[in-house]
Amino acid sequence: AQRVTQPEKLLSVFKGAPVELKCNYSYSGSPELFWYVQYSRQRLQLLLRHISRESIKGFTADLNKGETSFHLKKPFAQEEDSAMYYCAPRAELIQGAQKLVFGQGTRLTINP
Amino acid sequence: KAGVTQTPRYLIKTRGQQVTLSCSPISGHRSVSWYQQTPGQGLQFLFEYFSETQRNKGNFPGRFSGRQFSNSRSEMNVSTLELGDSALYLCASSLAGRGGSYNEQFFGPGTRLTVL
Repeated sequence: AQRVTQPEKLLSVFKGAPVELKCNYSYSGSPELFWYVQYSRQRLQLLLRHISRESIKGFTADLNKGETSFHLKKPFAQEEDSAMYYCAPRAELIQGAQKLVFGQGTRLTINP
Repeated sequence: KAGVTQTPRYLIKTRGQQVTLSCSPISGHRSVSWYQQTPGQGLQFLFEYFSETQRNKGNFPGRFSGRQFSNSRSEMNVSTLELGDSALYLCASSLAGRGGSYNEQFFGPGTRLTVL
């Protein structure tokens, strides 16, 4: 079964500092991994998917199959990055299924 | 395009009662998934519906059920409510078809259920 671990429940960094949110997963087959974000009083929304390898709002995430990790990184944190971040591998039980397995989440706080 | 809407936004029930929550997906989206969010367990998948059929199910007791209508709107029902069912219930819709690729899920604001 797919499992995901986000070891840090809370993470606090200063504005301008680098930030890294950790995510480790267990997965059978080829994983599809995502980062979702929830800003204060907003809906949960997709931030990144590993397939696209793009940078969104300055964040990047590299899939490391050897370490089974998908850490989210940003070189210079900004105050608007304060939010709850969830790592979520896709659980592909049957073709087309959209089930996501969410980690417990990391609350990121950027201090001014 | 209007986003995913969920009704009601807040609900208070007592133990033993049953409750029905509603979700209207984004127009054109045929897949609707439900998640339960609690402080202790985080976000947990309940089930997914596609074309009125349950395509996937999480590890929840049979008290949790759902359905999807021909217009893709979905409802979930919880019978014989327990205190532990207090949670934020999130609905998400996507363009997902029968193929294997993942399509971005768009989440609703959630329904906050409190069981007393």
